[in-house]
Amino acid sequence: GAVVSQHPSRVICKSGTSVKIECRSLDFQATTMFWYRQFPKQSLMLMATSNEGSKATYEQGVEKDKFLINHASLTLSTLTVTSAHPEDSSFYICSARDGGNSYNSPLHFGNGTRLTVT
Amino acid sequence: EDKVVQSPLSLVVHEGDTVTLNCSYEVTNFRSLLWYKQEKKAPTFLFMLTSSGIEKKSGRLSSILDKKELFSILNITATQTGDSAVYLCASFGNEKLTFGTGTRLTIIP
Repeated sequence: GAVVSQHPSRVICKSGTSVKIECRSLDFQATTMFWYRQFPKQSLMLMATSNEGSKATYEQGVEKDKFLINHASLTLSTLTVTSAHPEDSSFYICSARDGGNSYNSPLHFGNGTRLTVT
Repeated sequence: EDKVVQSPLSLVVHEGDTVTLNCSYEVTNFRSLLWYKQEKKAPTFLFMLTSSGIEKKSGRLSSILDKKELFSILNITATQTGDSAVYLCASFGNEKLTFGTGTRLTIIP
C-alpha cells in the first residue's frame, strides 16, 4: 500500500531555532500533501495544504511566515517551523493522497514528528 | 464551518464485547467519510465511505454511512486488547479533511 515517510520522528530544539520536517511519498506521486498538528488527547487540526510547484494554502489562524511549507517535487514536502517557541511543541503529521486529488482515494499519513521546544 | 462530532468520547469494555462508535458530520460539498485508527503514532486507514447504506467490512470491523442523516457508525465485534486505540472519523469536503476529536476505546482483558 501507499507509504508516506516523515522525518525526523522526534526532535528537541532550543527556543528561537528553526526546525525542518520532511514528508515523502515513497511509492506514489502526490501533487498535494497536507500538514496537521495534534495536541495531546486532541484531534488532528489541518494547518496547511501543500501544493507541488505553487504556494501552500494555510488554514485560518496559522501563521504562514512561521510555518514555511515547500513542496518542491511530487514526492517531497517540507514544513519548517521558524523561530520555534515552547508553544510550538506538538505532534506534526503529514499526509498525502494516493491517486491525485480524487476524493475516492484515502489519505495516508506519515508517522509524525514529535517536536519539543525547550 | 465544517464539523465532525464523535461519540462517545471514551469507551471501556471487556474483551469479547461488541462496540459501536458514532460519527456525525456537517460538511459542505461532502465527498466521503473516513475512519482511522490511531495508536501511538499516526492514524492508520480503516474505511472510506462514499455511498449510503453500503456496509464496508474488514474482519471484525465494519462501517456504514447514512448520507441522509449525516452520520456513520463503526462496529467492532469480539473486541480484543489490540483494538485499544483512538478511532478517528473524518469527513472530506471542500478539498480538505475535517477530523472529529476521536473515541478512545479501551479493551480490558
